[in-house]
Amino acid sequence: QKEVEQNSGPLSVPEGAIASLNCTYSDRVSQSFFWYRQYSGKSPELIMSIYSNGDKEDGRFTAQLNKASQYVSLLIRDSQPSDSATYLCAVGRDTGRRALTFGSGTRLQVQP
Amino acid sequence: IAGITQAPTSQILAAGRRMTLRCTQDMRHNAMYWYRQDLGLGLRLIHYSNTAGTTGKGEVPDGYSVSRANTDDFPLTLASAVPSQTSVYFCASSDSKGKAFFGQGTRLTVV
Repeated sequence: QKEVEQNSGPLSVPEGAIASLNCTYSDRVSQSFFWYRQYSGKSPELIMSIYSNGDKEDGRFTAQLNKASQYVSLLIRDSQPSDSATYLCAVGRDTGRRALTFGSGTRLQVQP
Repeated sequence: IAGITQAPTSQILAAGRRMTLRCTQDMRHNAMYWYRQDLGLGLRLIHYSNTAGTTGKGEVPDGYSVSRANTDDFPLTLASAVPSQTSVYFCASSDSKGKAFFGQGTRLTVV
C-alpha cells in the first residue's frame, strides 16, 4: 500500500464546474497536509495547506481534512482551463523525517 | 528574488561519470530535501537534512550522497551515474510549518 494514494486521472471537468480531487494517506501520525499544482515541465507549486480537521478556503480553492478517515480533498470552484495541471497531495509529520510524502498526482483537464 | 536555485537545469551524462547537482536557498529554512520525479512514480525522497550538519536517507538513497555544510547549500552527488538515475531532480526546502518550496528542477539524462 502506498503511503499517499491519489487517482491518477485524468479528471475532466467543463469550464465553470467544481473539480473534486481526493487523497488518502496511511500514516496516522501525519500532522500536515498540502496540495501542490504542477504544470507540465515545471516544479510543484504550493496552493493549499491544512493542519486541522474541517475545511479551509482560499479563493476558489477549498481543502478538506478528515483525520479519522485519513482523507484529504481539494475542491476547485469555477474551474478554468488554466487550472489544467497535475495536482499532488502531500503529507508531513512534525518529528523525525519531516520531508513530505507525495502521492503520484491527479491530472486535471478543464474543458473550455 | 527569494527562493531555491538549482544548477544545472539540464545535463546529459555518460554512465560511470561523477556529477554534483547544486542547490542553494536564500529563505534561511533549516530543512532541505532532494526528490526525484519519474513518470508514474511521483516525487520520491532521496535524501533530506533537517538542519545544517545533519543528513538522512530517504526512500531511494542508493547511488546518491549529500552534504549540508551550511544552511543555504545542499548538493547532491551521483558517485558513478547509471541509466536508471535518468530523472528530473528537485531540491526543496521547508519552513517551520512544513510547507515545502521547490527549485526549478534539473533534468538529468544518463547515457
